Amino acid sequence: DIQMTQSPSSLSASVGDRVSITCRASQGISNSLAWYQQKAGKAPKFLLYAASRLESGVPSRFSGSGSGTDYTLTISSLQPEDFATYYCQQYYSFPYTFGQGTKLEIK
Amino acid sequence: EVQLLESGGGLVQPGGSLRLSCVASGFTFRSYAMNWVRQAPGKGLEWVSGIGGTTYYLDSVKGRFTISRDNSKNTLFLQMNSLRAEDTAVYYCAKLSYYDSSGYFNYWGQGTLVTVSS
Repeated sequence: DIQMTQSPSSLSASVGDRVSITCRASQGISNSLAWYQQKAGKAPKFLLYAASRLESGVPSRFSGSGSGTDYTLTISSLQPEDFATYYCQQYYSFPYTFGQGTKLEIK
Repeated sequence: EVQLLESGGGLVQPGGSLRLSCVASGFTFRSYAMNWVRQAPGKGLEWVSGIGGTTYYLDSVKGRFTISRDNSKNTLFLQMNSLRAEDTAVYYCAKLSYYDSSGYFNYWGQGTLVTVSS
């Protein structure tokens, strides 16, 4: 199975800050990577696919990058509604696996 | 608008069975693979099973869980047998981006809670 490791596990930031979350795969996944946002008590929301392609309707302050085993989700200017937990997911091979999550909190 | 509505969760004793359902609307159900993803209390997301042209299972549920679908009723199912305490989680129904290849989950239901406890 492909292991996905996110860092950091938690992050405190302020509105307007630029933040980045990293996801590392245990083997190359050829950009087969998605990102999700989950707020407390709610279902995950799909944000990006193919490492860098933004889902329709997702604000452009979200962006993704990376290749091989290392990927990054960046939020260019944090808004109050962005404070949530973020997960990466590889879909290169079964079983699909997720990172452990990064909780983004208000400083 | 895509909607996924799960039902069937509840409290069950270890060794018991439960059947989850997910009714889909707003897209051509038969044209997409469907999946179950779970989240134990306070934990992260874990993919459980998927069905498109083929069925796939997480190793820890193989032989105990069975995924199926009724395309005539736009409904996805998960039959869960021999349940264990570690199966306790919110179970989400999730639509895959494709039918017969790997992909990402572009729509999720609101989840149904399964609690396995005596």
